[in-house]
Formats: sequence, structure tokens, C-alpha cells
Amino acid sequence: GAVVSQHPSWVICKSGTSVKIECRSLDFQATTMFWYRQFPKQSLMLMATSNEGSKATYEQGVEKDKFLINHASLTLSTLTVTSAHPEDSSFYICSARVGGLSYNEQFFGPGTRLTVL
Amino acid sequence: RKEVEQDPGPFNVPEGATVAFNCTYSNSASQSFFWYRQDCRKEPKLLMSVYSSGNEDGRFTAQLNRASQYISLLIRDSKLSDSATYLCVVNDGYNFNKFYFGSGTKLNVKP
Repeated sequence: GAVVSQHPSWVICKSGTSVKIECRSLDFQATTMFWYRQFPKQSLMLMATSNEGSKATYEQGVEKDKFLINHASLTLSTLTVTSAHPEDSSFYICSARVGGLSYNEQFFGPGTRLTVL
Repeated sequence: RKEVEQDPGPFNVPEGATVAFNCTYSNSASQSFFWYRQDCRKEPKLLMSVYSSGNEDGRFTAQLNRASQYISLLIRDSKLSDSATYLCVVNDGYNFNKFYFGSGTKLNVKP
């Protein structure tokens, strides 16, 4: 399967700081990447869909000014959590979509565990 | 009604058992279906894709029933390492950037 990397794998920061997470497709080009958040013992929650060269589409309830997404190239999308607070502590996972009409799969990065003190 | 529904389990089975999970979906236009496994504190990993009636890979078999709008995952000869949460994911038939996730079925394989 296609390989997606994420960096950093974990980060601890102070409240009020901003954290940037990178998501890269290593062996393919991804016009669409997705950002998810998962709290302990809960399901994955889609935060936004990131399209190369255009603005991200955010899910209802996700603040676009707080979670800045940039998808400047076909292999890189970034999520910046601005002015992070303890309630933003979570497991953030990106994925990239491969394929088109007849073949369409998502491959996930290894995730970034964010802890805000 | 949720787009994708799964029994959360947990399914507790002994090693060597055969276990099956079902997943129902509501969008009759969906064409692509997936089973992922997710280990605790890890990312989901693609186990199987289903684009037609079914798919088989070793001990794992996925079957699609379009008439009743469900897909199943059968695991034969369960191993301890199969213990995980299994996520059912369905693509929206009109928008291939839209995926609907089930909440997952937890499997515990015991010695």
C-alpha cells in the first residue's frame, strides 16, 4: 500500500503555543488529504478535507482559524494547531486518498500525539 | 440514522475460532467499501478493499451484499495478533472524497 508519514509523532507543548504537524505522501501524489482527531476510546473524527492548491473544507464544529491547514504541494499537507489549549490534546491522524472512480483508498499516517500542558 | 453502523462488541473469542462482523450502510449509491484494523493508540491500517461482491486474503474474507446494504468480515483461525478494533469504511457514491466511518468493532482473541 501507499506510504504516508507524519511528523512529529508526538509533541508536548505549553498552553498558548502553536504546533505544526506535517503529513507527507512518500511514494505517490495525493490531491486530497484528510485530517482526523481521535480522543481516547472514541472513534476517528474527520476535522477537514485538504485539497492541493485550494482551501481546506472543514467539518461542522471545527474552527478553521484554530486549525490551519495548508496543502501546498501534492505530497505535503500541514495542520497547525494555533494557541493550543489542554482540550486540544488528542491523537491527530492524517490520511491521503489514492485513486479515482474505480479504485479509491485512504492510507493513514502514523499519527501525532499532542499533549498541551 | 448513521451512515455506517457496526456492533461495537467486544467479541471475545478463543484462538482458532472463526468470527464474523457485519457492517450496514445507508447510502445505496456507495461503490467502495473497506475494512481497516486499528490497534490501540495506532493509526488505522487498510485490511481489505471491496469493490465488487467480495474479497479474500488468506484468513480474511469480506463479502458485500448490495441488496441488504451490508458488508461482512470473516476471520478464520483467529490469532492472538488479530485482537484489534475493526473499522468499516464506506465511500460516498457521489463524492469520492467522502468516506463514512463506522465506530468500530472490538475483537479480543484469547489464548
